[in-house]
Amino acid sequence: NAGVTQTPKFRVLKTGQSMTLLCAQDMNHEYMYWYRQDPGMGLRLIHYSVGEGTTAKGEVPDGYNVSRLKKQNFLLGLESAAPSQTSVYFCASSSTDRWQPQHFGDGTRLSIL
Amino acid sequence: KNQVEQSPQSLIILEGKNCTLQCNYTVSPFSNLRWYKQDTGRGPVSLTIMTFSENTKSNGRYTATLDADTKQSSLHITASQLSDSASYICVVSGGGADGLTFGKGTHLIIQP
Repeated sequence: NAGVTQTPKFRVLKTGQSMTLLCAQDMNHEYMYWYRQDPGMGLRLIHYSVGEGTTAKGEVPDGYNVSRLKKQNFLLGLESAAPSQTSVYFCASSSTDRWQPQHFGDGTRLSIL
Repeated sequence: KNQVEQSPQSLIILEGKNCTLQCNYTVSPFSNLRWYKQDTGRGPVSLTIMTFSENTKSNGRYTATLDADTKQSSLHITASQLSDSASYICVVSGGGADGLTFGKGTHLIIQP
């Protein structure tokens, strides 16, 4: 009963490098989300998807891209990492409410030097 | 601008004691309000969700209340346990992709 699994759990990048964060859910949920969590701030929505093959921008989408080629996977890409993207990234999914994440992964801690 | 304010920012209580966390919001329109528990190094876990017509909802030792008129919610924890040490996040939904507003959370520490 994995729920939402995020890979990797930790990563350190240099400015300008690229990487992809992977989110996988095994609950057959339609809706998936990417958030970032920074100290002293609430969770902020980066991008979301309402179904396979669809993506949409959230509150803070700049510098990120996403893809949802398979229903169970939601990928978050950083094409050219910047120190301002140092954060903890959470993926979430939902089955019943388009705008309410039900299950969260345990996060990816990303540091950009 | 939609806002969710939580108080206190942090709280330390002794094991076995009760406590109440507060959430005030200015989100409009209002759809529902959810409380999450976030353990250190883990993702948030949903505790309760309440719609406009619900005044109270319980989940074990956790009881959430909602006053939609004053736009206030509280989370009451009864007979606290060491495992209750966590951040508690209040989230208000007004509908739409940008309709979720997260509070900054209350960091709760339970001491033995």
